[in-house]
Amino acid sequence: QVTLNESGPALVKPTQTLTLTCTFSGFSLITNGVGVGWFRQPPGKALEWLALIYWNDDQRYNPSLTSRLTITKDTSKKQVVLTMTNMDPVDTATYYCARSYNTLDAFDIWGQGTMVAVSS
Amino acid sequence: DIQLTQSPSFLSASVGDRVTITCRASQGTSSFLAWYQQKPGKAPKLLIYAVSSLLSGVPSRFSGSGSGTEFTLTITSLQPEDFATYYCQQLKSYPFTFGQGTKLEIK
Repeated sequence: QVTLNESGPALVKPTQTLTLTCTFSGFSLITNGVGVGWFRQPPGKALEWLALIYWNDDQRYNPSLTSRLTITKDTSKKQVVLTMTNMDPVDTATYYCARSYNTLDAFDIWGQGTMVAVSS
Repeated sequence: DIQLTQSPSFLSASVGDRVTITCRASQGTSSFLAWYQQKPGKAPKLLIYAVSSLLSGVPSRFSGSGSGTEFTLTITSLQPEDFATYYCQQLKSYPFTFGQGTKLEIK
């Protein structure tokens, strides 16, 4: 069974760095074509793609946030970590990670999400 | 960036109805178009990928079609569990983008 689970702080202060961890099971991030992406959704708003890391360590970022984002993977721990610097109240959102598979060209399995509030 | 515009943004329908949601792209997305369902407080669920391929386990009342810049999600014979928000997503080019969502409500 494929699962993904996001973890991280529920509250961060403005200007701080957010670190989120996606721990997955049921698949390997060394399998050709597999990727893990991060998304966010502010309350009542639409989904936004943030970043994606592929099995071959290729990393892709949303250009609107690229200067603030870093995505890394630890295949032995089965984790993907997203860091976002200089947090602002507008970054308050539920953050999701999800698996992609090049045979689907979509994100087929999602974590349950983790809510992050940015406030002083 | 490829912009996706969904219509309508809100849709009111009854159980048993047939509904269609449209997703228009600012440029062609080839076959790299997916549809997701999201219920309040839950993560999105993939329904359809590659424009018209139904993910295993998704009921056959869901179908997708389209090409170029115009795509549709059709739900035939609405069930109570189908009332949710639906999003299209393009994966043709980075950044991957979503439509603004269509909220399907019970009439």
